[in-house]
Amino acid sequence: QKEVEQNSGPLSVPEGAIASLNCTYSDRGSQSFFWYRQYSGKSPELIMFIYSNGDKEDGRFTAQLNKASQYVSLLIRDSQPSDSATYLCAVTPDKLIFGTGTRLQVFP
Amino acid sequence: DGGITQSPKYLFRKEGQNVTLSCEQNLNHDAMYWYRQDPGQGLRLIYYSQIVNDFQKGDIAEGYSVSREKKESFPLTVTSAQKNPTAFYLCASTPDRGGTEAFFGQGTRLTVV
Repeated sequence: QKEVEQNSGPLSVPEGAIASLNCTYSDRGSQSFFWYRQYSGKSPELIMFIYSNGDKEDGRFTAQLNKASQYVSLLIRDSQPSDSATYLCAVTPDKLIFGTGTRLQVFP
Repeated sequence: DGGITQSPKYLFRKEGQNVTLSCEQNLNHDAMYWYRQDPGQGLRLIYYSQIVNDFQKGDIAEGYSVSREKKESFPLTVTSAQKNPTAFYLCASTPDRGGTEAFFGQGTRLTVV
């Protein structure tokens, strides 16, 4: 079992829709959870972080964490073509581990 | 400006050669990481270091070596034992063991010729 799992996609959504990205992790000791966005050929950039169960909102982005189910998700409201990128989930048990990423495509 | 610098941006290696990728940070971060990324894939952990003079293997350490002689520097050597080294390599640092945001370098694209 991989430590951090994501659906590789691509996830295609129309402009203005809600994009839902999901991630599961195996280490129950994980304390910190991150979502990064990566454009092709570039370094990842932090979108959201969440430490506690529940929802955390920042603009069009909402991160959701459920430690009992070992599940973290990212919702992107009012999706824009510029949101088209790969979204990487990362968790920290004792080191920073990334999932394989989900490629999001937002079409006009 | 504080940040993390990787060099070179592009690197070409002949088969059988060792090459070293540089990673320097002036953020006073304790932890540093090396990741490998193949096309369409996520980031796979090669090595990480949480304090000076100490480092641990990640998931794909075979064919790679690192050192951490100074807090600000964490070079990665890709040895001839790494059979398929062509990839995008990313260095990152965090203030502590990873509970906070990671800062990334711009990456080094290594190609075997």
